[in-house]
Amino acid sequence: NAGVTQTPKFQVLKTGQSMTLQCAQDMNHNSMYWYRQDPGMGLRLIYYSASEGTTDKGEVPNGYNVSRLNKREFSLRLESAAPSQTSVYFCASRERGERTYNEQFFGPGTRLTVL
Amino acid sequence: QKEVEQDPGPLSVPEGAIVSLNCTYSNSAFQYFMWYRQYSRKGPELLMYTYSSGNKEDGRFTAQVDKSSKYISLFIRDSQPSDSATYLCAMSGETSGSRLTFGEGTQLTVNP
Repeated sequence: NAGVTQTPKFQVLKTGQSMTLQCAQDMNHNSMYWYRQDPGMGLRLIYYSASEGTTDKGEVPNGYNVSRLNKREFSLRLESAAPSQTSVYFCASRERGERTYNEQFFGPGTRLTVL
Repeated sequence: QKEVEQDPGPLSVPEGAIVSLNCTYSNSAFQYFMWYRQYSRKGPELLMYTYSSGNKEDGRFTAQVDKSSKYISLFIRDSQPSDSATYLCAMSGETSGSRLTFGEGTQLTVNP
């Protein structure tokens, strides 16, 4: 099992360009998440999908859109990139259950620089 | 003010030392407390979790939760160079829809 995979690993964009970050998981998990990690701020939730067909905003959704393509895949789109979106982006998944401690499994991250 | 506060360090200790990592929080609804470990340029991975107050031990690692003080700790005994990583605390509420709130992470280096 590959777990959670993310593409690309690195990306450099110019201000105003658009791009889509891809995430896939092979653990048959219901819930998927997109986070960004910045120095001094920790991990912050951008969007999440509790189950296939649903998406909800997290703490910092502005400037982003998401698509839960199917149970396996959850993509994050930047329509018009800004330097403030320079960050490391992590996708995560977990099996939704009664107990919220259910482990979130993280991908390796995408390092994005916006010039 | 952040819901979860964690000293970012960096923390540098000699091999074999006992390491204490801590987080404080303000949201009394938090019931699940987790520690994630993140190696450089990798994604976080779950190290330990605790429900409500109390202690939990797993090998060289001990997690403690004091809900009355809104304070959680992770102790690492006989620290090894392989323990060098960033340690993030994370918390969530009771319901299945609750999301994780992370601390900033503490960067730990264990020197041989």
